[in-house]
Amino acid sequence: DGGITQSPKYLFRKEGQNVTLSCEQNLNHDAMYWYRQDPGQGLRLIYYSQIVNDFQKGDIAEGYSVSREKKESFPLTVTSAQKNPTAFYLCASSIASGGSGYTFGSGTRLTVV
Amino acid sequence: AQSVTQPDIHITVSEGASLELRCNYSYGATPYLFWYVQSPGQGLQLLLKYFSGDTLVQGIKGFEAEFKRSQSSFNLRKPSVHWSDAAEYFCAVVEGNAGNMLTFGGGTRLMVKP
Repeated sequence: DGGITQSPKYLFRKEGQNVTLSCEQNLNHDAMYWYRQDPGQGLRLIYYSQIVNDFQKGDIAEGYSVSREKKESFPLTVTSAQKNPTAFYLCASSIASGGSGYTFGSGTRLTVV
Repeated sequence: AQSVTQPDIHITVSEGASLELRCNYSYGATPYLFWYVQSPGQGLQLLLKYFSGDTLVQGIKGFEAEFKRSQSSFNLRKPSVHWSDAAEYFCAVVEGNAGNMLTFGGGTRLMVKP
């Protein structure tokens, strides 16, 4: 079955360390997205990519980086510059146009101690 | 600017009661409209979507939504709520034929009383 996979589900890191969250999809979707979710704050867009080898900053890109070397993969790195990285991170994908909506992964909960 | 408003942050209903979650949007063109549900610690699951045609759309889990252009609304309804419906619900919109970037509302958390 086609879907979108985020790993790991839970991640613990020490303060000051970079950490990379994985997102893989086998839906043949062109576009991929990263969102951050904090309690009571809804979804906030971090980065998105409409095509391989291209990506755009979202509303809260500071302290994060991404790459899109393959259509199937869109990893997110949370760098030490991110001041408050503990959150729930969601990855999503969609076709390039037509308003099809997003398919979401099951999320990664990152805790920085 | 495009915006989506879910006026109710929290709603509590008794099991078996009817439910209506509100969603209002601000767009110039005909939008594509979506409702998603999120259980705690999980990703978002698509409940239903509206592109065109019949303004009353049916979704999964017994949910339906009605598009009212005159009111710029896309409210989600369920005739009889089950305890398993307790979750957070997000309305989302993309301007028709203008790409694929969704704008999400802030979400409504539904609690169900036994």
